[in-house]
Amino acid sequence: DAGVTQSPTHLIKTRGQQVTLRCSPKSGHDTVSWYQQALGQGPQFIFQYYEEEERQRGNFPDRFSGHQYPNYSSELNVNALLLGDSALYLCASSFRQGGAGGYTFGSGTRLTVV
Amino acid sequence: SQQGEEDPQALSIQEGENATMNCSYKTSINNLQWYRQNSGRGLVHLILIRSNEREKHSGRLRVTLDTSKKSSSLLITASRAADTASYFCATTEYNFNKFYFGSGTKLNVKP
Repeated sequence: DAGVTQSPTHLIKTRGQQVTLRCSPKSGHDTVSWYQQALGQGPQFIFQYYEEEERQRGNFPDRFSGHQYPNYSSELNVNALLLGDSALYLCASSFRQGGAGGYTFGSGTRLTVV
Repeated sequence: SQQGEEDPQALSIQEGENATMNCSYKTSINNLQWYRQNSGRGLVHLILIRSNEREKHSGRLRVTLDTSKKSSSLLITASRAADTASYFCATTEYNFNKFYFGSGTKLNVKP
C-alpha cells in the first residue's frame, strides 16, 4: 500500500522563476493538503484540495496556487520565487476533508531558491 | 493565531531516560496530534487525542490533554537513540481540517 509520494525530492531554483511540485496521495485518499516548513519551524498550512477544488487556504499570497486532478494527485505551483520561499514542502493526504482515518504525510520536497 | 508552542525547544537525555515535552495552544480544538520528524523529512503520526479525552497511551508514548489549560504533554518512556528527532504537536479546530503546528521540540537521545 503506497503512502504519499512527492516529487522531486530536492529542487534548486533561481529568484523569479516558477516551480511545480507534485504529490500522489495514499491509495484510498481523496483530499490533499500542502504545507510549507521553513528551517527550524513547524509546518504552515498553504491550502487543501478536495474534488478538484481549493477548499481552504492559509495565509499565503496568490503566487502559491495548486491543482488537483481526477485521480486525486495534486500540484503546488509557486510563481516569482523569492529567497524566502526556500523550505520543505509537505503534502498530506486524507479521506474526505475531515481526515477520517487520519492524515498521511509525504517525505517532502526541499526547495532552495538562490 | 491558533498555533501551538512546544516546550522545551530542545531536550538532550541519556538512553533509557524518560523524555517529556509540552505543547500549549490558544483556542478550542477538535483534537490534538503529535508527530515526529527525522532530519527535516516527512512527518510521522504518533498519536491523536480527542478534546474529550484526558490521557492516551501507545506503546512507550503517553499523551495527556488539559483543555482547561489548553495544554498537552507527550511522555516517551525508556528512550532510545532512535527516538532522536523533532516532535511537533498539531491541533485542529471544529469544522476545520487544517493543522496548526507548533515550532517543535528537538529531542536528542544519547547512547
